[in-house]
Amino acid sequence: SYELTQPPSVSVSPGQTASITCSGDELGDKYACWYQQKSGQSPVLVIYHGTKRPSGIPERFSGSTSGNTATLTISGTQAMDEADYYCQAWDSSTGVFGGGTKLTVL
Amino acid sequence: EVQLVESGGGLVQPGGSLRLSCAASGFIFSSYWMSWVRQAPGKGLEWVANMKQDGSEKYYVDSVKGRFTISRDNAKNSLYLQMNSLRAEDTAVYYCARASSSSWWNWGQGTLVTVSS
Repeated sequence: SYELTQPPSVSVSPGQTASITCSGDELGDKYACWYQQKSGQSPVLVIYHGTKRPSGIPERFSGSTSGNTATLTISGTQAMDEADYYCQAWDSSTGVFGGGTKLTVL
Repeated sequence: EVQLVESGGGLVQPGGSLRLSCAASGFIFSSYWMSWVRQAPGKGLEWVANMKQDGSEKYYVDSVKGRFTISRDNAKNSLYLQMNSLRAEDTAVYYCARASSSSWWNWGQGTLVTVSS
């Protein structure tokens, strides 16, 4: 079965840039997307089609893909960005999530 | 404003059944794929099932095939998940989500299903 791999945790200082990676076979061809989930809340879509940002999502969130890796980048990270982040893609009509990355802003 | 409101969760014994509902509003329900996604306590997200606009295509994660059935009533703007032969590992918050462009753009608040004796 298809798998997506994320680092369990990433730490960043306020104002700095955070990068969260997601790797999977031929992920660059699968329209990876990213969800943010704050404690006790439902997930929110922050990046779709690998690089596109829904309206209402701050410009500091960006996505990129290259080969087998998708990356979520948060520039000028703020305390409010502390959350779990999940990458997601489709493989043969099956939805697959990465294991999630806990972003800590310290 | 898009709203998705799940209901039907609760405590059920192993081997039991439960039917979840999701009431949708604020968009043309019949125009979108809809999905169920779950999250076990303290764990990550897991896609459960998908259904096409007209119900002609349905897909499930392997762990629920043969036990769960996704359905929808476009006249009632509602999505359902019939869960049979429930197991302890099905314990999770179940989210209803609206799909578009291969992503889930809107999520409900979730409903908790606890499978325990």
